[in-house]
Amino acid sequence: EAAVTQSPRSKVAVTGGKVTLSCHQTNNHDYMYWYRQDTGHGLRLIHYSYVADSTEKGDIPDGYKASRPSQENFSLILELASLSQTAVYFCASSGRLGGANQDTQYFGPGTRLLVL
Amino acid sequence: GDKVKQSPSALSLQEGTNSALRCNFSIAATTVQWFLQNPRGSLINLFYLVPGTKENGRLKSTFNSKESYSTLHIRDAQLEDSGTYFCAAATSSGQKLVFGQGTILKVYL
Repeated sequence: EAAVTQSPRSKVAVTGGKVTLSCHQTNNHDYMYWYRQDTGHGLRLIHYSYVADSTEKGDIPDGYKASRPSQENFSLILELASLSQTAVYFCASSGRLGGANQDTQYFGPGTRLLVL
Repeated sequence: GDKVKQSPSALSLQEGTNSALRCNFSIAATTVQWFLQNPRGSLINLFYLVPGTKENGRLKSTFNSKESYSTLHIRDAQLEDSGTYFCAAATSSGQKLVFGQGTILKVYL
């Protein structure tokens, strides 16, 4: 069974502080993703990576940085947390999408971030 | 506009009845995935589809790439089917998924 873990599972941060969310996968997947979900809404892509030491901007990258130090690990960094970044953050991993190789995207359990 | 549009946005079903959810794509989708987000917030993989149909228990999903849509049929709905259903499409670039806004399903007795 594919496995994606996230830490912490929940966090309270202060406005202007630095927040780091961590993700670890044991699926041997090349691709990793960070999404945010706001209450009652769908998933929006923040950053993704298809190889270690390289990251790509997603649809809403402003205010976030990402780091992929190894194939297994992918971090999301909020250098100056703001109230508007209160949300649930999901990490996911997959093989290359769009083909017939059954490269399903697997999600972690999510991190609830509250910025006060 | 929305690249992946789901309908309906919300749905209530009596236990034991059937229904269908739909996704329409305005991008050149090559594969589609369906997920269920359960009331606890976990995202569960339901289907990975290339053009064609798959079935798993009471769920059946079809992806028609030529007409740019996908459907998820739920047969004999059960209380545990409640949650939010998301479809997501990948294109030939293969790098990311584009998600719909979700369909909130409530199954009642």
